[in-house]
Amino acid sequence: DQQVKQNSPSLSVQEGRISILNCDYTNSMFDYFLWYKKYPAEGPTFLISISSIKDKNEDGRFTVFLNKSAKHLSLHIVPSQPGDSAVYFCAAHNAGNMLTFGGGTRLMVKP
Amino acid sequence: DVKVTQSSRYLVKRTGEKVFLECVQDMDHENMFWYRQDPGLGLRLIYFSYDVKMKEKGDIPEGYSVSREKKERFSLILESASTNQTSMYLCASSLAPTYEQYFGPGTRLTVT
Repeated sequence: DQQVKQNSPSLSVQEGRISILNCDYTNSMFDYFLWYKKYPAEGPTFLISISSIKDKNEDGRFTVFLNKSAKHLSLHIVPSQPGDSAVYFCAAHNAGNMLTFGGGTRLMVKP
Repeated sequence: DVKVTQSSRYLVKRTGEKVFLECVQDMDHENMFWYRQDPGLGLRLIYFSYDVKMKEKGDIPEGYSVSREKKERFSLILESASTNQTSMYLCASSLAPTYEQYFGPGTRLTVT
């Protein structure tokens, strides 16, 4: 059973608009969450993270929101750019230096 | 900058062959990981290692083994490759006790 789920396999957004990527989790013991971006033929690269004791973390155009009661986090990209087109993975940390990844969402930003 | 390198970008092997995937990191990280990535399933952890000669099973260790003889190198071994092991294999490393993992470019393995 997947403990981290990204229910939207793909998302298409117009350049300049907001992109919202969602992630749900089931394990209340997760204490840290990360977002990774992956371009084709490359490994994932770290984007932004948030501790479970916070509800928001912002880094430039990227903001991650955490709603612990709903076991839900989201990544907002404002404004979206064509170079943001990639697959985005959310990941959650539990214990033992391991991360559990979601299935990924493919974001397409149209010029 | 952290650099994680993988020995091959593309690999084609026959069913039953023994396959070695090599990963090297240059930042003296204690932790190293092997994942496979399949469409819709995200990244699934095969094995990880938190020290030389130490290994722990991940979520899907069946059909795989690993070796870590030196801190910078972590090898994934498919003892007898099968078609259902066709996948993208990703190696990662991290510096304890941080959570951020750094990934290599991946090896796309096809087993025919």
